[in-house]
Amino acid sequence: DGGITQSPKYLFRKEGQNVTLSCEQNLNHDAMYWYRQDPGQGLRLIYYSQIVNDFQKGDIAEGYSVSREKKESFPLTVTSAQKNPTAFYLCASKPHRNSNQPQHFGDGTRLSIL
Amino acid sequence: ILNVEQSPQSLHVQEGDSTNFTCSFPSSNFYALHWYRWETAKSPEALFVMTLNGDEKKKGRISATLNTKEGYSYLYIKGSQPEDSATYLCAFIIYTNAGKSTFGDGTTLTVKP
Repeated sequence: DGGITQSPKYLFRKEGQNVTLSCEQNLNHDAMYWYRQDPGQGLRLIYYSQIVNDFQKGDIAEGYSVSREKKESFPLTVTSAQKNPTAFYLCASKPHRNSNQPQHFGDGTRLSIL
Repeated sequence: ILNVEQSPQSLHVQEGDSTNFTCSFPSSNFYALHWYRWETAKSPEALFVMTLNGDEKKKGRISATLNTKEGYSYLYIKGSQPEDSATYLCAFIIYTNAGKSTFGDGTTLTVKP
């Protein structure tokens, strides 16, 4: 079945450590997204990519980095510069940048600080 | 940052009650509005794609309306069931940047048997 796979489901980070969250899709979608959710809040956009080898900052990009070397993969690195990384992270995709179709979501990764 | 507001933040109803909630968004440069349902321990799933002023969409007991001129959309659930318990998110897409969705904070619905 086509879909989005995020791994791991749970991740623990030590202070000062970078960690990378994986997001893979087999939907042949051009556009991919990373969101963060904090308790009681909605989804806030971290980074998005509308095509391979291109990506844009979202509303809360500080302390994060991404790459888009392959169409199906959009990993998110939470760097040590992100001072409050504990949150739920969702990856999403949609067919292409100008599509008015909704996004497809993965199951998320919950990141906690040790 | 665009302002997308959902109200109420949470709602508790009895099984069989009908309910509705609101998504407010900027009325200029409208491109599309999406409604998603997000059940606990699952990923958000799209309910409706709304693109035209006056749109009305229906899926079983759930329906939605759209007013782009005044910048709001309503989601209605008729005869709520416990399986309707979820967080309902709306996402607004602006015409000048169709690649990006701005989400509201969601309305969390709890339906008691």
